[in-house]
Amino acid sequence: DAKTTQPNSMESNEEEPVHLPCNHSTISGTDYIHWYRQLPSQGPEYVIHGLTSNVNNRMASLAIAEDRKSSTLILHRATLRDAAVYYCTRVGRAGGTSYGKLTFGQGTILTVHP
Amino acid sequence: GAGVSQTPSNKVTEKGKYVELRCDPISGHTALYWYRQSLGQGPEFLIYFQGTGAADDSGLPNDRFFAVRPEGSVSTLKIQRTERGDSAVYLCASRLTGTAYSPLHFGNGTRLTVT
Repeated sequence: DAKTTQPNSMESNEEEPVHLPCNHSTISGTDYIHWYRQLPSQGPEYVIHGLTSNVNNRMASLAIAEDRKSSTLILHRATLRDAAVYYCTRVGRAGGTSYGKLTFGQGTILTVHP
Repeated sequence: GAGVSQTPSNKVTEKGKYVELRCDPISGHTALYWYRQSLGQGPEFLIYFQGTGAADDSGLPNDRFFAVRPEGSVSTLKIQRTERGDSAVYLCASRLTGTAYSPLHFGNGTRLTVT
């Protein structure tokens, strides 16, 4: 299965921006990049996704490298509620029986300091 | 609206027993996934349903694990002859089909402990 690579942990201060990197050097041209986060004792929660262009939504921004081999999730102003494990995943767009299946790595543990 | 519901939230069983874990997906979501998450690890794919059929069961670890979705809505993950190594959080997720970019919606999982 195609894997992504993320740092094990990162730290930030409240109200500061956070940039969470992800490497997906073997990504195919039809794979989407999805980000999820997981709070303690909860299931993963969708954050954002993209294909080629940078994306923004109410939760975060996603910056995708021009060669698509890496991406960065940007939290513009971290809050204590953003402390979670962040997962970068690839999702195949092509048809097939595994259409839409996510493969998770270990993710990045984000600690936010008050 | 209601999200993905999983019951029970916690299940403690003895080694060798049979357990069933239930998942109620979001209404109208035809795709359903089961994942397993061990402590400190990311979720690990088990099985994917499209409607009533298992389209991809490549993640099931062995034949003690089985899942059904008889009417294309509720799904049950069944584990026979449980082992201590089966202890984990079992996550269910659903999504609208037809678009690969539609997000997965996860439940909060069932924490299974095999003693």
